[in-house]
Order: sequence, then C-alpha cells, then structure tokens
Amino acid sequence: EIVLTQSPATLSLSPGERATLSCRASQSVRTFLAWYQQRPGQVPRLLIFDASNRATGVPARFSGSGSGTDFTLTISSLEPEDFAVYYCQQRSNGLTFGGGTKVEIK
Amino acid sequence: QVQLVQSGAEVKKPGASVKISCKASGYSFSSHAMHWVRQAPGQRLEWMGWINPDNGNTKYSHKFQGRVTITRDTSARTVYMELSSLRFEDTAVFYCARDLFWFDPWGQGTLVTVSS
Repeated sequence: EIVLTQSPATLSLSPGERATLSCRASQSVRTFLAWYQQRPGQVPRLLIFDASNRATGVPARFSGSGSGTDFTLTISSLEPEDFAVYYCQQRSNGLTFGGGTKVEIK
Repeated sequence: QVQLVQSGAEVKKPGASVKISCKASGYSFSSHAMHWVRQAPGQRLEWMGWINPDNGNTKYSHKFQGRVTITRDTSARTVYMELSSLRFEDTAVFYCARDLFWFDPWGQGTLVTVSS
C-alpha cells in the first residue's frame, strides 16, 4: 500500500499569508494525486486533480505541483474560508489518503 | 446539479450490521462508479470500496474485505453500503463519493455510532 505523509500536521497562519502544504508518497504515484479541502463540519471537496489541475470553481489562489513522490499545495493568499483541513489522495496504485494538514488561524 | 444524499445517523451495538444508502441525482447513474469512505474521529480518510452501478461489479479495500458489502438499485438510483460485525472503532462518518477518477462530489456523510 502506498503511504502518503502530509506535513506539517498543523499550519498556523494569518489571512493574506501564503500557505505551503506538502504530501510525500512512499513510492512514485506519477501525477495521480489529488487534494481535497474539508472545512469544519463540511464534506470534503475536490480542489486539485492530476497533481496540478484545479477542479471546477476552485479559485486561482489554489495551485498544485509535483510528480513522483513529492507534491505541494499552495494557497497564495489565505482567505477566511480557506482555514480548513487539506487531504491528499493517490490513485496510482490502490487508493489511499494522507493524514491531513490543518490550516488554522494564527 | 449533481447531488448525493445519504441516509440518516445510526446507533448500533457491537457485533451488529449497518446499512447506509446514497441516492444520486443530476447525472447518468450508471455512468460513474460510486465509492465509500470512512472518516473516524481524528483519523485519516479511509477508502472502503466501490461499485460499478452499470454491472454491479465491486472492489473492496483489503482492510474491510469480508465485512463490507456494496450494492445498488439502479431503478432507485441508490447505492448501499453494509458494514457487518461492527466494533467500537467503527464509530465514524461514512461518505459516498462519485467516481470521476477523483471523488466529486461527496455525499453529506452518515454518522454511525457503535455503542453498547
């Protein structure tokens, strides 16, 4: 099973700051990686698919990059609604999720 | 619009089974597989399995194999997930999610509480 490790576990930032979230795979997943956002009390929402493509309706401040084993989700300037938990998911071999990164207000 | 509506919260005793439904609307039901995902408190999301609504074929995660059964009723546009031999650690929110290779959208979630 491919293990996805997300870091940091918690990111404390202020609105307007840049957020950089990491997802590392235990073996190559090529670009078969997605990012999901889960706001408090809400359902997970697809943000990024195929490592770098924004899903429909996702603001341009969200961007994804990486391939192989190292991936990054960047939020260029945090809005109040961006404080949430972010999960990465791979579908290169089986289907697994990372442990999540919580972006909280500093 | 595409919508997945799940059945309501359940409370079950250890050893019992639970069956949750997920009703789809707004798209061609048979054209997309449906997945089930578990989210236990403080734990990561866990993929449980999926079903192809067109032919009923299923695939289950090794972790849940033998305890989970996913079925569908095409006339009702509904997918079901049954989890048996419930344990305290199965207390979680269970989600259905449409397969677009990635998961989009997700149902609203169903809380299952296992308590004696």
